[in-house]
Amino acid sequence: DTAVSQTPKYLVTQMGNDKSIKCEQNLGHDTMYWYKQDSKKFLKIMFSYNNKELIINETVPNRFSPKSPDKAHLNLHINSLELGDSAVYFCASSQGQLNTEAFFGQGTRLTVV
Amino acid sequence: AQSVAQPEDQVNVAEGNPLTVKCTYSVSGNPYLFWYVQYPNRGLQFLLKYITGDNLVKGSYGFEAEFNKSQTSFHLKKPSALVSDSALYFCAVLPLGYSTLTFGKGTMLLVSP
Repeated sequence: DTAVSQTPKYLVTQMGNDKSIKCEQNLGHDTMYWYKQDSKKFLKIMFSYNNKELIINETVPNRFSPKSPDKAHLNLHINSLELGDSAVYFCASSQGQLNTEAFFGQGTRLTVV
Repeated sequence: AQSVAQPEDQVNVAEGNPLTVKCTYSVSGNPYLFWYVQYPNRGLQFLLKYITGDNLVKGSYGFEAEFNKSQTSFHLKKPSALVSDSALYFCAVLPLGYSTLTFGKGTMLLVSP
């Protein structure tokens, strides 16, 4: 069974559209994250949720809105997509926020055309 | 502000030879340190971490890392490289008081047969 799963794996869409990426973890972890990996492979944290509550919200345009219906799910909704949003988005989870390794999903490659 | 430096974009090594992937960090206090590996089209996988104690940390797939406080380094090592070790390697820090990882830019390891 996949520990952290994201859907879809690939997403191609036009500028201006609204899209969502879903993430689910079956590890019983209480903390989930969204990371963005750009074309140069640089990884940056976007959001962190602990027990469904937003903990970290880095400098991310407000077109990006995370939603955590329960602690096993953290979805990412993006409004009015722009070319610069093209990247690979990784969901991750960990037990607690400190001192523990994070488990990553396989990523969602978003291409905005 | 915390930062992680991986000075090499790429490391080339022949199979069977020892490998080293370098990482230095700049944070206040004593951080937690991590290494992750990313295989093509996959999410990141945890390799090892340093929290406290012995400066030599052993991890998955025969990898180890040495924490050097005076040099603020956390280099990843393996005594004998395998072709299957070819991947992108990320060093990360979790400074005290922070709840999310800060990643280096990644180092591509290429092991030739």
